[in-house]
Amino acid sequence: EVQILETGGGLVKPGGSLRLSCATSGFNFNDYFMNWVRQAPGKGLEWVAQIRNKNYNYATYYAESLEGRVTISRDDSKSSVYLQVSSLRAEDTAIYYCTSNAFAYWGQGTLVTVSS
Amino acid sequence: DVVLTQTPPTLSATIGQSVSISCRSSQSLLHSNGNTYLHWLLQRPGQSPQLLIYSVSRLESGVPNRFSGSGSGTDFTLKISGVEAEDLGVYYCVQGTHAPLTFGSGTKLEIK
Repeated sequence: EVQILETGGGLVKPGGSLRLSCATSGFNFNDYFMNWVRQAPGKGLEWVAQIRNKNYNYATYYAESLEGRVTISRDDSKSSVYLQVSSLRAEDTAIYYCTSNAFAYWGQGTLVTVSS
Repeated sequence: DVVLTQTPPTLSATIGQSVSISCRSSQSLLHSNGNTYLHWLLQRPGQSPQLLIYSVSRLESGVPNRFSGSGSGTDFTLKISGVEAEDLGVYYCVQGTHAPLTFGSGTKLEIK
């Protein structure tokens, strides 16, 4: 059974930073590209970042709106992917989902709230 | 960036009715490798999205075959042949052909 568990969300003040983690199991993580997608309250889905697999030299891609403030990374030995977000703003408040390439597998998301 | 325009934004259907959702792309989603990375997701209320259709027309494992996808290039359609109560939620198309990946704005399906 595929399992994806995001952790690390919470309440953070504007200008603060967070590191989100995504632990996976049940599929061959090393073969997959992995994405972070977010959803602001009552809004649609927004792609945030992608990290490719070893065959693609772990290439990373970022949404332009977040570039410079986010870093995606992965640890294949732990079947995990991470998202470091800095200089947080109120508009970054959202549920952050970890998902595989082609969006086959999703976690339940972790809520990030940016507020003073 | 590729813009995906989904229509209609909302859809109201009775049980058993067949409905279609359109997703139009601002540029061709045909990848240089010959694949078209246009997928359809359903997000039920209070849940994470789930994959229904991948690569235009391929039914994800475990998804009922009343869901089908079609299209090519810039025009794509999701069809539900015989809506059931559990189909309510928001449907999104998403493209993975061009970076950055982009989502459509969603189509909310309501059950009459």
